[in-house]
Amino acid sequence: GAGVSQSPSNKVTEKGKDVELRCDPISGHTALYWYRQRLGQGLEFLIYFQGNSAPDKSGLPSDRFSAERTGESVSTLTIQRTQQEDSAVYLCASSPTRRVGTQYFGPGTRLLVL
Amino acid sequence: AQSVAQPEDQVNVAEGNPLTVKCTYSVSGNPYLFWYVQYPNRGLQFLLKYITGDNLVKGSYGFEAEFNKSQTSFHLKKPSALVSDSALYFCAVSGYNQGGKLIFGQGTELSVKP
Repeated sequence: GAGVSQSPSNKVTEKGKDVELRCDPISGHTALYWYRQRLGQGLEFLIYFQGNSAPDKSGLPSDRFSAERTGESVSTLTIQRTQQEDSAVYLCASSPTRRVGTQYFGPGTRLLVL
Repeated sequence: AQSVAQPEDQVNVAEGNPLTVKCTYSVSGNPYLFWYVQYPNRGLQFLLKYITGDNLVKGSYGFEAEFNKSQTSFHLKKPSALVSDSALYFCAVSGYNQGGKLIFGQGTELSVKP
C-alpha cells in the first residue's frame, strides 16, 4: 500500500517568507508526528496529533511554527517569517495505534532558507 | 527528561565481520526502544523495536538488538555485516504517556568495507 507522502520534496525560500509543508499519512493511521532533522544531527520532535485530541505542541521551537490536521487525514506544517536556522529536512511520520507503535516516515521536505 | 546517546559518530566494519552500534537511554518508567536506518536521500526505515517481553529483539535485514535494563542500553547487532548495510542508524526512545513521540539519538554512520 501507499506509504507516507510529503510535498514538496524540496523548497527554497527567502528569509522572511512563509512556507507550508504537507504530509499525507498512511490511510487509517490515527497518529501523526512532525520532526525536524538539521544537517548532521538527529531528529527533533516538533508536534504530535492523535485523532481528535488536542495536539502535543511541546516540541515547536517558536510561535512562528504551527501545524494543523483535519481528522485523521492530511497535515500541514506552516513556518512563518522563515529564518536561516529553519533550514532542515522536515519529516512526517504516522502510526496506526493510540499507544506506542511503529512510526512510518515519509521521505521528508528539504527546506533551504536563503 | 528523556534522552538517547549514541556514543559513536561512526563505526567501521569489514564485510562479513560482526557489527555493533551502541545506544544508551534515559527515561522515566519503562522504555519503548526503536532502531531506524536512513539511507542517503531516503526517509527513515524501521528496523526493530522493544516494547516488552524477550530482551533480544530480532528485526529486518538480519539485525537484532538486546535490551539491557541494568545498563540502560539497547545496542544494535548483526552477526555478519554486508556492504549494503552502510547507512546512518538512529536509536530512539519513548516513555509511557508520551503519546509515542520519539526522542532520537544523534545517529551513527555505519561503513562496511569489502
